Formats: sequence, structure tokens, C-alpha cells
Amino acid sequence: KNQVEQSPQSLIILEGKNCTLQCNYTVSPFSNLRWYKQDTGRGPVSLTIMTFSENTKSNGRYTATLDADTKQSSLHITASQLSDSASYICVVSAAGGSYIPTFGRGTSLIVHP
Amino acid sequence: DAGITQSPRHKVTETGTPVTLRCHQTENHRYMYWYRQDPGHGLRLIHYSYGVKDTDKGEVSDGYSVSRSKTEDFLLTLESATSSQTSVYFCAISDHGQSGELFFGEGSRLTVL
Repeated sequence: KNQVEQSPQSLIILEGKNCTLQCNYTVSPFSNLRWYKQDTGRGPVSLTIMTFSENTKSNGRYTATLDADTKQSSLHITASQLSDSASYICVVSAAGGSYIPTFGRGTSLIVHP
Repeated sequence: DAGITQSPRHKVTETGTPVTLRCHQTENHRYMYWYRQDPGHGLRLIHYSYGVKDTDKGEVSDGYSVSRSKTEDFLLTLESATSSQTSVYFCAISDHGQSGELFFGEGSRLTVL
């Protein structure tokens, strides 16, 4: 069964600090991995996509990494801002015709001033 | 922003009444999805569609039905609402079901008393 596990479940940091969120998956065969950001009361929005051949990708202060061998991904947030407070969801898609990506349960990040 | 509109955005109803949520898109995307989001569970797939009149069940489809009579509209119906169906419902669209980015609506908050 395809699964995506995220850790930690929740995280509280001070503004300006860095943090790293983790995602482990067992989806096979692997197609791609996306990180979504979901602000409170809004729908998720894609931050970045990682394919099999990519090790790292940045989107502003967000940097995602992928280790396809260990089936792990991380999302690193640099110099956090209050607006980074949100839920971050790891979503993995399988190759081979499946229309259904597998979602992690998300990490809730709170940035305090 | 992707053109996705969910209606109603908020609804309170009583147990046993029928409820229909509507998702309307202006992007002409082939794939449409209905998810529910509950604390501790993340986003869970209810039903999805891969074309007009082509739909299939997700992991939590019991008590729900869907219809897609035209590309732009995907309806989710609760034939007889129960308190366990109190949730936030998200519609999502994608132009490529296997690896495409999901674009989410703003959500519909349903309370069943």
C-alpha cells in the first residue's frame, strides 16, 4: 500500500529561525513528489515538485530535497516569517497510470514573533 | 489563481437531509477530485473524475455520490447527511492525473447537526 509519513506532526519556532520538515514515502513506482502549503482556511497550494532525477530545488526561502534511494524528502525553510505559519503537506504521485496521488497528513508549523 | 469555485462555502444542515456541494472550474482540466479534511486525518479522497461521466471511488466514498455531466462541474452529494460527515470539503482539479499539480478550491465547510 502506498503511504506517506510526515514528521513532525507540529512545530513551533521563532521568527527568523530555520526549520526542516520531513517526508518518508513508500509509493512505487515513483513519479514525483510535491510539497504543498495550506494556510488556515484556504486550499493547499503547490510549493515545489521533485522528480526522480532531482536532488534539490529551491523556491525562495523554501528548499526541498529528495533522496530517491531512501525514499525521503525534506522541506527546509530559511529565515522563517510569520506568514510561513501553515500546514505543509507532502504529496507523492506514482507512475504507471494512477490518477490518485498519496497525501501525507501534514506538518503544522507555527512561527511566533 | 486557477479558476475553481466551490459552493456553498458554508452550510449547516440537519442529520438525514440531502446535501449537494458544487465544484465549478474554468480551466478545462480533465481531472477533478473531492477531498474531505479532518483534524488528525489530513486530506482524504472521496471520489474523483477522469472525464465527463467517468468517476470512481476514493478511500472514503461511503455515504457520498458524485456526478459530472460536463467538464466544468463536479457535484458531490450526501444523500442523507450524518454527523460524521461534518468536515471541510475541498475540490481539486488537474490537467494530468498522474503527475500534474493539483489546484484546490477554497473549501466548503459543512456542519451536520
